[in-house]
Amino acid sequence: DAKTTQPPSMDCAEGRAANLPCNHSTISGNEYVYWYRQIHSQGPQYIIHGLKNNETNEMASLIITEDRKSSTLILPHATLRDTAVYYCIVRVYNQGGKLIFGQGTELSVKP
Amino acid sequence: SAVISQKPSRDICQRGTSLTIQCQVDSQVTMMFWYRQQPGQSLTLIATANQGSEATYESGFVIDKFPISRPNLTFSTLTVSNMSPEDSSIYLCSVFTRGPRNEQFFGPGTRLTVL
Repeated sequence: DAKTTQPPSMDCAEGRAANLPCNHSTISGNEYVYWYRQIHSQGPQYIIHGLKNNETNEMASLIITEDRKSSTLILPHATLRDTAVYYCIVRVYNQGGKLIFGQGTELSVKP
Repeated sequence: SAVISQKPSRDICQRGTSLTIQCQVDSQVTMMFWYRQQPGQSLTLIATANQGSEATYESGFVIDKFPISRPNLTFSTLTVSNMSPEDSSIYLCSVFTRGPRNEQFFGPGTRLTVL
């Protein structure tokens, strides 16, 4: 699985959009980009995934660049409860669920 | 979706002893995994628990230290053997379900402290 690079930490004001970047320059054509988050003392939680088109669900939006070498997770109106570590992971869609976690981005949403 | 429970939720153990962690899923799943999260670190995959056969271990993890059982499609155990303080971590069970999201679910974790 391709390796990802994320900033170790970010701050965001409550109510503003949080934009979390991820670099995955060695991504293969059949690998999807997945985002998970881990709120303190809980197991990771799925947020969203995509291949090459932009995706949106009730939690977030995922923007993938045309060359697929990077992506951005957008939380449109961050709340204090969005404070967590966010992990960007790439893996083959139909492959078994083995996930390789990087160090992630620790997002702090401040009042 | 899949709801995962783990027992115990936390434990404090003495050096040299062993602890068995249980993982129960509310539905049958093909793939179950065990992860370790050391203090302040990201998650590291220990092994894939295979139903009816030996677990598949990742580099750096061995069966003698982390024996795993998977007697059926809803249950697995991970044993941390001959513990040392370096084994103090959160141990998480995870399952993979095929569907529109090909989503992976995680249990709440077992927080282990070894004295």
